[in-house]
Amino acid sequence: ETGVTQTPRHLVMGMTNKKSLKCEQHLGHNAMYWYKQSAKKPLELMFVYSLEERVENNSVPSRFSPECPNSSHLFLHLHTLQPEDSALYLCASSQEPGLAEGDTQYFGPGTRLTVL
Amino acid sequence: ILNVEQSPQSLHVQEGDSTNFTCSFPSSNFYALHWYRWETAKSPEALFVMTLNGDEKKKGRISATLNTKEGYSYLYIKGSQPEDSATYLCALFILTGGGNKLTFGTGTQLKVEL
Repeated sequence: ETGVTQTPRHLVMGMTNKKSLKCEQHLGHNAMYWYKQSAKKPLELMFVYSLEERVENNSVPSRFSPECPNSSHLFLHLHTLQPEDSALYLCASSQEPGLAEGDTQYFGPGTRLTVL
Repeated sequence: ILNVEQSPQSLHVQEGDSTNFTCSFPSSNFYALHWYRWETAKSPEALFVMTLNGDEKKKGRISATLNTKEGYSYLYIKGSQPEDSATYLCALFILTGGGNKLTFGTGTQLKVEL
């Protein structure tokens, strides 16, 4: 395993629900990331946290709200999602506070989200 | 928009075959290219980080080469085994003022059949 865990692995929610995805890394890394993968599309970077501060927000709708309470945990809070938000959501971490060119990202297994 | 292209999209080979696939990227302002292996229902796992033109890296039966002048990298698998079945992703390291990041291709899905 990569040392990055995600819960839940599968989530089905209605458009009016509020839910949260959780990511935990056991590697002592300083940066964490949320990615989205929709069918037949490449991994899209959503959010980057470096030393628990958000440094990148790739124009993600406000119905997705990230939280990084400490360097080991990352959450993605979801509310009033749309069916087109159904996708695989992957968390990753890397050692350096700002991703260096040779720095590997370590990924979790993802949460498969279905919005009805 | 920065495009990282991978080809083919999918590939079926027989056990024992050798195979290769391509990652293409813009050749200007190159810093690094990452290769990942992603088995179904598991986490993507890093294979290689390539930084220098002419780099060749090897891990067991898998190797990769890099040509930064023409903007491509090849991944080779020698003597494919069923356990090599996975999606292989490449990702270009991008240096930005807002935070460095990886831009991924859509992947090559490899199926190795007995």
